Amino acid sequence: KQEVTQIPAALSVPEGENLVLNCSFTDSAIYNLQWFRQDPGKGLTSLLLIQSSQREQTSGRLNASLDKSSGRSTLYIAASQPGDSATYLCAMGVIQGAQKLVFGQGTRLTINP
Amino acid sequence: GAGVSQSPSNKVTEKGKDVELRCDPISGHTALYWYRQSLGQGLEFLIYFQGNSAPDKSGLPSDRFSAERTGGSVSTLTIQRTQQEDSAVYLCASSLAPGGQGAYGYTFGSGTRLTVV
Repeated sequence: KQEVTQIPAALSVPEGENLVLNCSFTDSAIYNLQWFRQDPGKGLTSLLLIQSSQREQTSGRLNASLDKSSGRSTLYIAASQPGDSATYLCAMGVIQGAQKLVFGQGTRLTINP
Repeated sequence: GAGVSQSPSNKVTEKGKDVELRCDPISGHTALYWYRQSLGQGLEFLIYFQGNSAPDKSGLPSDRFSAERTGGSVSTLTIQRTQQEDSAVYLCASSLAPGGQGAYGYTFGSGTRLTVV
């Protein structure tokens, strides 16, 4: 069964801290992994996309890594800001069976000023 | 267009009525997906269109749900005889390459919030 698990479910930290969000997945046939941000009542905003042949991607204060052998991805956020508060979703792209994204339940992040 | 456009943004309907939700993908994107996000739940895959191929309907929860994609562009998700458990945010996504492959992955719309009363 294709599953994505995100830990922790919720995280609250003071402004300025560096933090790591974790994602684990079960399918070795993953061909990419995408991190999204979702603000309350809004759609999904793509943050980073890592192809299965890549180990990491960086955008500004965000860095995402992918380790297929261990079935893990991490999203690192440097120097967190209150505007980073949102739910962060990890999703693996699969092409065996239905071609689709399989999502985790998300980590709800709160950055306190 | 510049992004994936969905309409309406909000829809309130009475139980038993039919509803249609519209998705206009990014121009040139061959793949289109519908997902559902229920309150407190993760995103659930519903259906996938790729070019002119037969859609992958494996995620549709019941035969009350159907979708079509006309001319390889705009898609409509139809829910017949709506039930209260259909209340959710319905999200549409498109991708340039099949299965979200390539440099840009999937792009999502802002969703339609459906409330069945």
